[in-house]
Amino acid sequence: NAGVTQTPKFQVLKTGQSMTLQCAQDMNHEYMSWYRQDPGMGLRLIHYSVGAGITDQGEVPNGYNVSRSTTEDFPLRLLSAAPSQTSVYFCASTDRGGNQPQHFGDGTRLSIL
Amino acid sequence: GESVGLHLPTLSVQEGDNSIINCAYSNSASDYFIWYKQESGKGPQFIIDIRSNMDKRQGQRVTVLLNKTVKHLSLQIAATQPGDSAVYFCADRAYGQNFVFGPGTRLSVLP
Repeated sequence: NAGVTQTPKFQVLKTGQSMTLQCAQDMNHEYMSWYRQDPGMGLRLIHYSVGAGITDQGEVPNGYNVSRSTTEDFPLRLLSAAPSQTSVYFCASTDRGGNQPQHFGDGTRLSIL
Repeated sequence: GESVGLHLPTLSVQEGDNSIINCAYSNSASDYFIWYKQESGKGPQFIIDIRSNMDKRQGQRVTVLLNKTVKHLSLQIAATQPGDSAVYFCADRAYGQNFVFGPGTRLSVLP
């Protein structure tokens, strides 16, 4: 049981480039989310999804797009990378039944030059 | 959890001692709370959770205390071991809303 898998683990981009961060979970969880983690700050929610075909914005959505075509996958797209998007990105999933903790992947470390 | 700026609080404890890590939250409607452990280069790992109808919950070597009056959460680790060295942070959530995460505390275990 792999849990939440994120790829790639590391990536360096130039300003203006686009890329997709991949996230997949094998727990049949309905709820998935993307966070960014910056030094000294708590995880900040970028986008989330409560099920296939449904997405919504979190606290810091600007510059990012998401889609949810299947229960398993929830990719995050950077449209035109900016240095301010240098961060560590985490994907998480949880079952929607009642109060449940989120399961996190090991993150993608992204640097924008 | 509340964001307290760029500097991560640090707690250093001697191996074998008990550790207490604190967290403040701001939403009085929050009814579910979680503690996570994050090791270097890894994603957050669930430690223990507590619901608002409880004041205390115990796990293996860990205890979470919830004080709703002052909106405060604490994590106690008994007999701290070198493997406990990590960043610990809390998360809280009100019903129907998303989790809010604290910035974390770095725990260093001294030999």
